[in-house]
Amino acid sequence: EDKVVQSPLSLVVHEGDTVTLNCSYEVTNFRSLLWYKQEKKAPTFLFMLTSSGIEKKSGRLSSILDKKELFSILNITATQTGDSAVYLCAVKTSYDKVIFGPGTSLSVIP
Amino acid sequence: NAGVTQTPKFQVLKTGQSMTLQCAQDMNHEYMSWYRQDPGMGLRLIHYSVGAGITDQGEVPNGYNVSRSTTEDFPLRLLSAAPSQTSVYFCASTLAGGGYNEQFFGPGTRLTVL
Repeated sequence: EDKVVQSPLSLVVHEGDTVTLNCSYEVTNFRSLLWYKQEKKAPTFLFMLTSSGIEKKSGRLSSILDKKELFSILNITATQTGDSAVYLCAVKTSYDKVIFGPGTSLSVIP
Repeated sequence: NAGVTQTPKFQVLKTGQSMTLQCAQDMNHEYMSWYRQDPGMGLRLIHYSVGAGITDQGEVPNGYNVSRSTTEDFPLRLLSAAPSQTSVYFCASTLAGGGYNEQFFGPGTRLTVL
């Protein structure tokens, strides 16, 4: 059965801290891994990763994929209160099926 | 482009009632899907479609029907609503192509079944 696991499920940090969110997966016919940020509305797209070892960066956020060990991490440096959200990891298969993890709820306190 | 649109935004039903959640996209995307999101459960796939006339079941299909008569529209039908179907429903679409394309989400429908 295809599954995506995220850890931790929730996290509270202080502004300025660096956080690492984890996503591991077991799927057949893996094609890509996606990270989303969800506040009180629909998820918004952050990154898509298809190749191992290539870091994707956007400002203070970065992510990398390890296809051999079947995991990805999302790093957020110098966290701000605006980073408070649920971060969702999802895996797409070659059949365009998307499986989501349960999400990591991040709270950044001043 | 309007992107992915969903109606209604909110709905309250009584147990046993039926209704249809509407989803439309104007990006000519082949792949469309419906998810439900419950607290602590992430997004769970209900049904998906890889093109007009083709649908398939996802993780939690029971109690829901779908059809895809056009590329643009992918309605989700609740045949006999149950309190367990209280959830937020998201529709999403992507340009099919073997799993390498970004997925776009609609704004969601918050459904309460009493």
